Amino acid sequence: DAGVTQSPTHLIKTRGQQVTLRCSPKSGHDTVSWYQQALGQGPQFIFQYYEEEERQRGNFPDRFSGHQFPNYSSELNVNALLLGDSALYLCASSSELGLPGELFFGEGSRLTVL
Amino acid sequence: ELKVEQNPLFLSMQEGKNYTIYCNYSTTSDRLYWYRQDPGKSLESLFVLLSNGAVKQEGRLMASLDTKARLSTLHITAAVHDLSATYFCAADRMGGGADGLTFGKGTHLIIQP
Repeated sequence: DAGVTQSPTHLIKTRGQQVTLRCSPKSGHDTVSWYQQALGQGPQFIFQYYEEEERQRGNFPDRFSGHQFPNYSSELNVNALLLGDSALYLCASSSELGLPGELFFGEGSRLTVL
Repeated sequence: ELKVEQNPLFLSMQEGKNYTIYCNYSTTSDRLYWYRQDPGKSLESLFVLLSNGAVKQEGRLMASLDTKARLSTLHITAAVHDLSATYFCAADRMGGGADGLTFGKGTHLIIQP
């Protein structure tokens, strides 16, 4: 049973560029959440997708956008990259059938913005 | 706005000792989660606490929740080196909201032989 998978694992971009990160949820999960984890900090909630729609959103600018596909996989897009966007981006999946609110995290995509 | 505070943020302890990590949260929340993160790795779910007085144990780790005090604790019994990691608590407002899970800053735990 595959867990949450993310790609790419590492990437380097320059300021002003755009990036797309991808996530496949754990088998049987239909909800995908994205978190940003800066070095030495706890993860911060970006947004959550369910039934191909953004259901919740944290305090992140519109430069951060996402998408969920019919197979429940998801993408996170960040436009006009800033140095401060350098972080580990974590995707987490969950299911209404599991323990309420319990998230299963992928290994993350580490983004470095130069 | 829900805030989650952990203490201590850094803890160095010897094998065999007991210790407790504390997690306070600022607004009403009946759901509290504990995660473990190893260096360079993702987060692993340890405990899900869903009601006042909930207590869960797994091996040398035990977590509890007091919703009246807005406090959760993670107790480590007879620590072993393999428990060295960063531990995060996270809270979730009942019925969801705009915040998803709100995480604390984490407790970096080092267990020395």
